[in-house]
Amino acid sequence: RKEVEQDPGPFNVPEGATVAFNCTYSNSASQSFFWYRQDCRKEPKLLMSVYSSGNEDGRFTAQLNRASQYISLLIRDSKLSDSATYLCVVSQRGSQGNLIFGKGTKLSVKP
Amino acid sequence: NAGVTQTPKFQVLKTGQSMTLQCAQDMNHEYMSWYRQDPGMGLRLIHYSVGAGITDQGEVPNGYNVSRSTTEDFPLRLLSAAPSQTSVYFCASSTSGTGSTDTQYFGPGTRLTVL
Repeated sequence: RKEVEQDPGPFNVPEGATVAFNCTYSNSASQSFFWYRQDCRKEPKLLMSVYSSGNEDGRFTAQLNRASQYISLLIRDSKLSDSATYLCVVSQRGSQGNLIFGKGTKLSVKP
Repeated sequence: NAGVTQTPKFQVLKTGQSMTLQCAQDMNHEYMSWYRQDPGMGLRLIHYSVGAGITDQGEVPNGYNVSRSTTEDFPLRLLSAAPSQTSVYFCASSTSGTGSTDTQYFGPGTRLTVL
C-alpha cells in the first residue's frame, strides 16, 4: 500500500542550486499536507504546512495540486545546512492519528 | 520547556524480554503517539492517544501496549521482544485532539536492537 510516494534520491546538488522534490498521495480524501525535515539520526521536525494556494517561507516554496494529488517542495539557493531527508506527510479528513509519512527524499548539498 | 523527551536513547534486548520505552511532554498536549521508523520505510504509527485515559491502535500495534494515565506521559511497552521490533521509535505530541492537522513535535527517539 503506497499511500504517499516520494523519489528517495539522493539528490546531490551544489550550493546555490535550486532543487525540487515531488510527492504523490493516493487518498483523495486527504485533508492536510506537510513537509518535515529529518537530519541524520535525528527526529523529524516540521518544515512547513502546505496550503491549496501554495505558500512560501524564505527560500522554501510548497505547492499542492489536489486534482493531481501532488505536492511539491522547492528550495532555492541551497545551503550546506539544507542537507537532510525531506518527508512528505498527509492526513485524512476527520482522522485521528492517521498521518501517513512518505519514505523521504534525501538531499545532499555540496560545496 | 523540554518539549518531548524519550528514554532510553539506546537499548539492546534479547528475544523474549519485555521493556517500557518512556515518553513525556511538558507542553500540555492532548495528543500523543508512537511511531517506528525502519530503513526504507516511512514512519508507521503504532498507538496513539487523544487524551488521558484514551488510547487507540495505529497501523502496526501488534506486540506493543500503551496506557495514558496522565496528560504528560505515554509509555510504550514491548511485551515479548522479537528481532522484527528492532527499529527506531519516536514519540510525538501535538496540540489538537485529532493530531492530524497540527504540528507534530517529536522526541529524539529510542534506538532499539533485539537480538
